[in-house]
Amino acid sequence: AQSVSQHNHHVILSEAASLELGCNYSYGGTVNLFWYVQYPGQHLQLLLKYFSGDPLVKGIKGFEAEFIKSKFSFNLRKPSVQWSDTAEYFCAVNAVGAGSYQLTFGKGTKLSVIP
Amino acid sequence: ETGVTQSPTHLIKTRGQQVTLRCSSQSGHNTVSWYQQALGQGPQFIFQYYREEENGRGNFPPRFSGLQFPNYSSELNVNALELDDSALYLCASSLRVGGNNSPLHFGNGTRLTVT
Repeated sequence: AQSVSQHNHHVILSEAASLELGCNYSYGGTVNLFWYVQYPGQHLQLLLKYFSGDPLVKGIKGFEAEFIKSKFSFNLRKPSVQWSDTAEYFCAVNAVGAGSYQLTFGKGTKLSVIP
Repeated sequence: ETGVTQSPTHLIKTRGQQVTLRCSSQSGHNTVSWYQQALGQGPQFIFQYYREEENGRGNFPPRFSGLQFPNYSSELNVNALELDDSALYLCASSLRVGGNNSPLHFGNGTRLTVT
């Protein structure tokens, strides 16, 4: 079974600082990878996804993530965070061809951006 | 487009009781998945429904059951509630065409408290 590990439980940054959130997964086969964001009081929203092709994917609100297959990683980055990026971020993986379409999520990283 | 809606938003039940949670899919979606999110954890896959049949199940006991209706809405039923069932229950819908699935769209969830 696949698993997802997010390295940081809580990250605190000042506005304009750069962000990188780590995500590693364990699964030997082909995967689809996702980052979801949950703003306070709101539902989980898709930030970006990787299915195939260019390993550097761009999402909404200036976020991007890079899939490094050899490292089983899919880290999320943003060059300059804003106060409105304060939220919880979840990395998720779907094992392609392993049966039903189900996502395995990490435990999440809470990001607090200080104005 | 209409998003995923869940009801009720909050629910308090007593141990041993039964509960039914409801979900309306995003318009145009034909697949519904249910996830359990305990406090401080990422969402965990319960099961998925496609064409009114269960299409994959996570590591949850049989007292967790579901239904999908012809209009693609869904119910999650939990019997013999236990204290550990206290969590946020998330419904997510997607469009499945052939063997491909669109990314999941989540509802706001139902917060279940078991006392």
